[in-house]
Amino acid sequence: GENVEQHPSTLSVQEGDSAVIKCTYSDSASNYFPWYKQELGKGPQLIIDIRSNVGEKKDQRIAVTLNKTAKHFSLHITETQPEDSAVYFCAASRGHSTLTFGKGTMLLVSP
Amino acid sequence: DAGVIQSPRHEVTEMGQEVTLRCKPISGHDYLFWYRQTMMRGLELLIYFNNNVPIDDSGMPEDRFSAKMPNASFSTLKIQPSEPRDSAVYFCASSLGQGPWNTEAFFGQGTRLTVV
Repeated sequence: GENVEQHPSTLSVQEGDSAVIKCTYSDSASNYFPWYKQELGKGPQLIIDIRSNVGEKKDQRIAVTLNKTAKHFSLHITETQPEDSAVYFCAASRGHSTLTFGKGTMLLVSP
Repeated sequence: DAGVIQSPRHEVTEMGQEVTLRCKPISGHDYLFWYRQTMMRGLELLIYFNNNVPIDDSGMPEDRFSAKMPNASFSTLKIQPSEPRDSAVYFCASSLGQGPWNTEAFFGQGTRLTVV
């Protein structure tokens, strides 16, 4: 089955800096890669996703890149703000399969 | 829509007791997922339903775990008997579909289960 590795497990940045979280996947047939944000005491919420026919996608301060050859994808957050502090999960799936999640990255943005 | 609704938000129970977690998916969603979240193992898929029918329960850890979806608006996850190692946050999620291009999964707030 699919295996998703996520790094780093924790990330501390200063407000205004950029943050990058990286994930690798094992199943070359995976074609859907969402990113979820989980705030304290809440369930994960989709913030951006990318499909295998696209190499990059951007939505305001967040962007995701996908390298199918290397089987890795990354989340980029620019101009970080304290409210970006949360746990971020990457995930991967293919076809009709369910999502396989990474272990998560705890992002802390200090004012 | 109020989103995916789970109850209770917190549950503390003694080892050996039966625990029932409840979930109301978003109206119109035909997929429902139960996940377990722990620090060690992250988010694990336990079971999922399509149109109220269990499709894949390979993630259910043991026979002590069971899940049902009697209708499109209600699902339960039951643990009997409960053990301390079952302590975790349990999430329910629902989505419109799971076709070749996955659609967004909406998560509930979770149930934090503590078995003492």
